[in-house]
Amino acid sequence: GAGVSQSPSNKVTEKGKDVELRCDPISGHTALYWYRQRLGQGLEFLIYFQGNSAPDKSGLPSDRFSAERTGESVSTLTIQRTQQEDSAVYLCASSITGAPSPLHFGNGTRLTVT
Amino acid sequence: AQSVAQPEDQVNVAEGNPLTVKCTYSVSGNPYLFWYVQYPNRGLQFLLKYITGDNLVKGSYGFEAEFNKSQTSFHLKKPSALVSDSALYFCAVRDPRWAGSYQLTFGKGTKLSVIP
Repeated sequence: GAGVSQSPSNKVTEKGKDVELRCDPISGHTALYWYRQRLGQGLEFLIYFQGNSAPDKSGLPSDRFSAERTGESVSTLTIQRTQQEDSAVYLCASSITGAPSPLHFGNGTRLTVT
Repeated sequence: AQSVAQPEDQVNVAEGNPLTVKCTYSVSGNPYLFWYVQYPNRGLQFLLKYITGDNLVKGSYGFEAEFNKSQTSFHLKKPSALVSDSALYFCAVRDPRWAGSYQLTFGKGTKLSVIP
């Protein structure tokens, strides 16, 4: 079946612009996660959704970052007034509910802020 | 708090030789442990997990990992490396006692290079 789909795959934007990153999880997966991967770094947790609610937003680095999820499906990560330090690969993952369930990752969106 | 350490940024091994990628963790209780692999320009793929039970866990592509509670380690192993195993490997942990979030904490990754 289809895996986690992210779009766009690459995004180049100018400093100060807003960007939206999209994630389509695997159908039926109620849990959805956003992670950030900077060059040479591990994965940095951003936010977790259970259904349409976000019980854990602890990883969002600033109020410029926000995310929403609608219909227990698609999620959008929005970064306002982008900065150069926002340049990274943004990875989305989904899983069935339950802590031991493996995460299924998309291929990511590579964001470059010039 | 939970944390993961992968002490080696890079591991080089000759094709056909056994490989080990090291991981140590820190959680307050009994951990859930995972290994993921990332190929270039791709997302992470699940390899294996330890939840409870047998300390030796077998996963995809011939990989296995051994949970050692006394050493707080979860090293990834394979008896005979293939060139196609060359990739970035991530260890991840979750403290199952946390409520409200199922986030995993990932290590910084280890680049495995298998030399023909």
